[in-house]
Amino acid sequence: EADIYQTPRYLVIGTGKKITLECSQTMGHDKMYWYQQDPGMELHLIHYSYGVNSTEKGDLSSESTVSRIRTEHFPLTLESARPSHTSQYLCASSESPGGKPLHFGNGTRLTVT
Amino acid sequence: AQKVTQAQTEISVVEKEDVTLDCVYETRDTTYYLFWYKQPPSGELVFLIRRNSFDEQNEISGRYSWNFQKSTSSFNFTITASQVVDSAVYFCALMRGSTLGRLYFGRGTQLTVWP
Repeated sequence: EADIYQTPRYLVIGTGKKITLECSQTMGHDKMYWYQQDPGMELHLIHYSYGVNSTEKGDLSSESTVSRIRTEHFPLTLESARPSHTSQYLCASSESPGGKPLHFGNGTRLTVT
Repeated sequence: AQKVTQAQTEISVVEKEDVTLDCVYETRDTTYYLFWYKQPPSGELVFLIRRNSFDEQNEISGRYSWNFQKSTSSFNFTITASQVVDSAVYFCALMRGSTLGRLYFGRGTQLTVWP
């Protein structure tokens, strides 16, 4: 069972602030993902990584950026938060090869005022 | 393109009723994987089951059962004798066999079980 941690759990910030959402996993999984979940429940892939120094944009256009300097760490950064960024952000990881289930963190609920 | 459709947005049942959550998928891949996840009010997504495209055998786990039919591109989920703790959003998802792990989610079904 994967252990994957996200901080903070909740965040309320003002427009224009720079924020970083943290995600760490302890199982050595190569693959990590960020999903954005809107209030209507739908989940959209915004970033993913297949390993260290590998990052790709997902299906949903996002103004966020990610980095993967260490296997266990996959932070997401918003340089200038806007109210349209208000959402829940879910981090996940999975083993290689493909077909393995994704294990999700508890999520970060972001509100931008 | 990959697509997962969960036509039921919300379902309400009374405790002990059986309930089936529908999932229809689209893909041109011959190798793919199907998943169900549960999202309780606390927000995390909990993995329930994975099936690969070559295994149409139905599965039962306690009160949960899954019916996979390639002929109708469906992967339905049934909860028998529902309980209040089953109240959650349930997501069906598809993973292509040729890619490295991306999940394509349906929009989810909100299940409410009343005591």
